[in-house]
Amino acid sequence: DVKVTQSSRYLVKRTGEKVFLECVQDMDHENMFWYRQDPGLGLRLIYFSYDVKMKEKGDIPEGYSVSREKKERFSLILESASTNQTSMYLCASSLGQTRETQYFGPGTRLLVL
Amino acid sequence: GESVGLHLPTLSVQEGDNSIINCAYSNSASDYFIWYKQESGKGPQFIIDIRSNMDKRQGQRVTVLLNKTVKHLSLQIAATQPGDSAVYFCAEIRGSARQLTFGSGTQLTVLP
Repeated sequence: DVKVTQSSRYLVKRTGEKVFLECVQDMDHENMFWYRQDPGLGLRLIYFSYDVKMKEKGDIPEGYSVSREKKERFSLILESASTNQTSMYLCASSLGQTRETQYFGPGTRLLVL
Repeated sequence: GESVGLHLPTLSVQEGDNSIINCAYSNSASDYFIWYKQESGKGPQFIIDIRSNMDKRQGQRVTVLLNKTVKHLSLQIAATQPGDSAVYFCAEIRGSARQLTFGSGTQLTVLP
């Protein structure tokens, strides 16, 4: 079974703090993704990566950055957290090429005060 | 029970009945679709997928139907069980970057 893990289930941070969300997958997947999920808005893609050190902006990259130094790990960084970044953050991975099904982690619920 | 499009966010069905969750997609060039199930407090879980060269695919208790003419996708769950209560999302692959676009989801509630 594919396993995608996220470093925290719940986080509480203050406005202006730098926040790191970590995601690790154990299936040697090429592609990794970060989404945020908000009521009524569904899942929105923040960033994705199709290879080590490669990244692409998704639909809502503003206020976020990412890092992929190793194939199995994809980090989402909030340089200066703001209250409108309070959300559920979901990481996903996929094998790539024609194997496009994305497998999700359990999510990190972030509250920015 | 049956829902229409992504604008009906809830669907309630009796345990044992069949459920039909519908989804309208926007991009006629989309060629791959996935249904996910998300239980409370968990990440989305893959249920079933279908490519645009098919119009029907069956899994265990689930069937996905694709109507490309009207850009419509449906998920049928047979003999709905309490454990099927969750939010169900359809997602389509779009663009050369092969990104997934998700619908807003339908909350399925199974009544005893």
